[in-house]
Amino acid sequence: AQKITQTQPGMFVQEKEAVTLDCTYDTSDPSYGLFWYKQPSSGEMIFLIYQGSYDQQNATEGRYSLNFQKARKSANLVISASQLGDSAMYFCAMRVPIYNQGGKLIFGQGTELSVKP
Amino acid sequence: GAVVSQHPSWVICKSGTSVKIECRSLDFQATTMFWYRQFPKQSLMLMATSNEGSKATYEQGVEKDKFLINHASLTLSTLTVTSAHPEDSSFYICSARRQGTSYNSPLHFGNGTRLTVT
Repeated sequence: AQKITQTQPGMFVQEKEAVTLDCTYDTSDPSYGLFWYKQPSSGEMIFLIYQGSYDQQNATEGRYSLNFQKARKSANLVISASQLGDSAMYFCAMRVPIYNQGGKLIFGQGTELSVKP
Repeated sequence: GAVVSQHPSWVICKSGTSVKIECRSLDFQATTMFWYRQFPKQSLMLMATSNEGSKATYEQGVEKDKFLINHASLTLSTLTVTSAHPEDSSFYICSARRQGTSYNSPLHFGNGTRLTVT
């Protein structure tokens, strides 16, 4: 069965420092996609970064990078140079294939990140 | 960009009444829309997947007669919570996949609807 696990309910980081948010997944499908979303207190879901299972290199988007370790089934998000505006809930998600419909996203439990000034 | 508008952003209703939530893709066509439910400080739980012109596919444990989903056009999906009860109070979020994009393209989310049933 497909599953996404985030084991850190809450994290603190000092402003301007880097932080790693953990995510592990389980799937038997060789083709899958992994996503990270940010959810501020307003509730909107903001897409951050994507990693495909066949991608050879780790994805990067500005201050966000994804540490993809396929053998360990982990896809950790690294945020460099944290900013106060990074304080939010962060969700790891995995695309689960649906026959003839592309796929659906399942989400991990989330990590609440607090950036301290 | 790809904008998904969800309306209303919040609603309070009395127990036993029905509430309709709309999800519109404003600048793209969406063949597939997804409805999620989220409790405070918890994960997003997928309720159902809807495809334009066909019946929605509900996740296990979601009552299809209670949560009616209609996807009548490529830009509009609606979720109706029928005979709402206090335990239905939650944050409901819709998302959409742009028509013609790959399966690994990110979903575009609405801003959510906070439902409170009194």
